[in-house]
Amino acid sequence: EAGVAQSPRYKIIEKRQSVAFWCNPISGHATLYWYQQILGQGPKLLIQFQNNGVVDDSQLPKDRFSAERLKGVDSTLKIQPAKLEDSAVYLCASSLQTSALNEQFFGPGTRLTVL
Amino acid sequence: GDSVTQMEGPVTLSEEAFLTINCTYTATGYPSLFWYVQYPGEGLQLLLKATKADDKGSNKGFEATYRKETTSFHLEKGSVQVSDSAVYFCALAHNAGNMLTFGGGTRLMVKP
Repeated sequence: EAGVAQSPRYKIIEKRQSVAFWCNPISGHATLYWYQQILGQGPKLLIQFQNNGVVDDSQLPKDRFSAERLKGVDSTLKIQPAKLEDSAVYLCASSLQTSALNEQFFGPGTRLTVL
Repeated sequence: GDSVTQMEGPVTLSEEAFLTINCTYTATGYPSLFWYVQYPGEGLQLLLKATKADDKGSNKGFEATYRKETTSFHLEKGSVQVSDSAVYFCALAHNAGNMLTFGGGTRLMVKP
């Protein structure tokens, strides 16, 4: 079974530019998560989707970050405009459903460097 | 809000040494508790979990017991190997929602 796919794996941009990350979850997984992992810290949840609806986006900086999962399968996370402090690894994860009894499977992440 | 605190690393051990990585949490209710591991160059993967008080999670020789009275979930292994070198993250999630709150991570280095 294929795992969670993310692209690109690496991205370098200058501050104030825009960037987008793509995630394709494991087939059949209804719940999708985006996490931000700053170097030396644990991942922090940005947004959670159940199918194509948002379950929680309370920690998403909505003035510059947006995310969508229009058809309830793959998802895109966008930053516009980027700031230096957005440099981090962006992790996508998926699970069958929203219960904590369902394991979250993580993708390899996209490493973003903002110069 | 919820929070997870782990001992800071790096932790450096010789092969076959005993490992303990401390983890304590603050949360309302009765969350599920997890240990995730990140091997060099790889993604996060679940190592073990416990869903209620006094449960013991175990996998690959690692163990952790859900202690509600001390709000702790310490990770232990009796004899570490070089291949256990990785970053270990303690985390919690409430059953309704499954949004993980992670600790800061502890880097383990095992020397031959």
